Amino acid sequence: NAGVMQNPRHLVRRRGQEARLRCSPMKGHSHVYWYRQLPEEGLKFMVYLQKENIIDESGMPKERFSAEFPKEGPSILRIQQVVRGDSAAYFCASSPLAVNQPQHFGDGTRLSIL
Amino acid sequence: GQQLNQSPQSMFIQEGEDVSMNCTSSSIFNTWLWYKQDPGEGPVLLIALYKAGELTSNGRLTAQFGITRKDSFLNISASIPSDVGIYFCAGQLLFGANSKLTFGKGITLSVRP
Repeated sequence: NAGVMQNPRHLVRRRGQEARLRCSPMKGHSHVYWYRQLPEEGLKFMVYLQKENIIDESGMPKERFSAEFPKEGPSILRIQQVVRGDSAAYFCASSPLAVNQPQHFGDGTRLSIL
Repeated sequence: GQQLNQSPQSMFIQEGEDVSMNCTSSSIFNTWLWYKQDPGEGPVLLIALYKAGELTSNGRLTAQFGITRKDSFLNISASIPSDVGIYFCAGQLLFGANSKLTFGKGITLSVRP
């Protein structure tokens, strides 16, 4: 998974707090995707972003969740007022602009809600 | 929404054996990918398939993109202990330059030495 950097690797929050997850794509990649994985499940798509634009947010809950990919700096997935059900592993993937280039994943952030 | 089906949930093989995994879908995809995930890590790309009927190899791994565009298989030959892990198939519809991946639930592979 060299290249896609996610931090923190583990994050513990109490119910009602905010969680911020960061993702730096591979060098030269302009597309970022966020996925959520529950135990013993596959990854579920949340949101797809390019620099300063949200392209597809069809998998992201309408309330409490937001994502951004600013011109400078990492992509941020923000979860406000976290609840126990937000506990999961959150993965970021990136791909370059060219067609038929696969997505490469980071090692994820494990979010635990107390 | 679209779903990918992978079964069984777990497979147990002896070191040196070959193993084949299938992935099926109720709708078509234009790209199929296979990823492997180890505990505590992110999925690692094994093989990407871009054309119906395509057969692609990567070392001991071989994968095929089904002609109907609704299925794919992954074959691992001469398994070794480090093949242990969770194998996910993923489908992608390419509208424009890129699009989201739809994943199966994964198959956990155990290899007995």
